[in-house]
Amino acid sequence: NAGVMQNPRHLVRRRGQEARLRCSPMKGHSHVYWYRQLPEEGLKFMVYLQKENIIDESGMPKERFSAEFPKEGPSILRIQQVVRGDSAAYFCASSPLSQDYEQYFGPGTRLTVT
Amino acid sequence: SQQGEEDPQALSIQEGENATMNCSYKTSINNLQWYRQNSGRGLVHLILIRSNEREKHSGRLRVTLDTSKKSSSLLITASRAADTASYFCATDAGNNNDMRFGAGTRLTVKP
Repeated sequence: NAGVMQNPRHLVRRRGQEARLRCSPMKGHSHVYWYRQLPEEGLKFMVYLQKENIIDESGMPKERFSAEFPKEGPSILRIQQVVRGDSAAYFCASSPLSQDYEQYFGPGTRLTVT
Repeated sequence: SQQGEEDPQALSIQEGENATMNCSYKTSINNLQWYRQNSGRGLVHLILIRSNEREKHSGRLRVTLDTSKKSSSLLITASRAADTASYFCATDAGNNNDMRFGAGTRLTVKP
């Protein structure tokens, strides 16, 4: 059973470009969480999604950031018109429907904005 | 994949008691972090301790780090029912900022 997969592992974008980060949850998991980690800081919750639904987006910046988890395919975290302050590691985690307490984390995507 | 290991996996105590959770890891780290997760919610960052620190306090939380044993402990004093949650440790090796999370300790505090 493959773990949570994220790609790309490293992403470099110039200011103003768009960044798309993908997260494939573990097989059978229908819940996905996205977190951002700034250098030398802890993870900060961004958004919690179930298939085709955003459950909690209280941690998402109001502009330029969006997330989706379609019926088919990976969850996507999209950052439009990136700025240098968006440079961070972005982690996703998945959990199965029936076990709220267990989250399995992916390896993260390191976004660098130049 | 998960690399940190928390123990115990589950802990049940009475309100007012202290709760101690342990975390062991395998590789050298830059820092270690503890998180709490309430049911159905995302992780909440509790405390970060750097590899050159041995102890850190935040309110009712006390974290220790022993890099020679590659282990850390989280102590919650005078527990409350609201402390009921899962607690995760995460290690940051600092090289490419990969985080490694343990499977968590599920803490239940009975009123």
